Amino acid sequence: ETGVTQTPRHLVMGMTNKKSLKCEQHLGHNAMYWYKQSAKKPLELMFVYNFKEQTENNSVPSRFSPECPNSSHLFLHLHTLQPEDSALYLCASSQDSVNTEAFFGQGTRLTVV
Amino acid sequence: GDSVTQMEGPVTLSEEAFLTINCTYTATGYPSLFWYVQYPGEGLQLLLKATKADDKGSNKGFEATYRKETTSFHLEKGSVQVSDSAVYFCALSDPTGAGGTSYGKLTFGQGTILTVHP
Repeated sequence: ETGVTQTPRHLVMGMTNKKSLKCEQHLGHNAMYWYKQSAKKPLELMFVYNFKEQTENNSVPSRFSPECPNSSHLFLHLHTLQPEDSALYLCASSQDSVNTEAFFGQGTRLTVV
Repeated sequence: GDSVTQMEGPVTLSEEAFLTINCTYTATGYPSLFWYVQYPGEGLQLLLKATKADDKGSNKGFEATYRKETTSFHLEKGSVQVSDSAVYFCALSDPTGAGGTSYGKLTFGQGTILTVHP
């Protein structure tokens, strides 16, 4: 138990569906992240939020839309995805300072059919 | 930009064998270095870290030393167990990277699959 909880753990969606991934952290951290983990590729940073403000968008397609209503919650809204978007999506959080480790959730295994 | 290169896997060992997983990095500043472990069906867990040159991180029998002269952070364990079977990721956090402040964001290597047999 890392203090970062992601739901759902597994999600299957069609290419025309709209769904959302949820992440919640109970660590009092101020920074939250979305990472994508695909087979045979390094983890890719997608978005960074610091004090609820988006500080980085790593050239992510607009079919992925993040939302951070407060420092404890992070969402990833999905629409019109492609089969190549199937992956493990990992949420992480950290204190708002440099050189600090990130705490990861267990991930959402997304399959786009 | 920053990058991390890990030894290609998979690595297969017998129980009680010695483990080394190589990791080298490139960074513009003075990064912190991390090893994360991912067990089957789970997210990533921090295994150990080192924040400056010559620091040694250690946890659960694993060790890694921050070598600035060789830009390396190799993971070692003297005697592996079946329960160590997992994917291991080397990562860095560079506060002087793009944007000026990392806010803890990490650059990962590609991961090394370790399988330990009884």
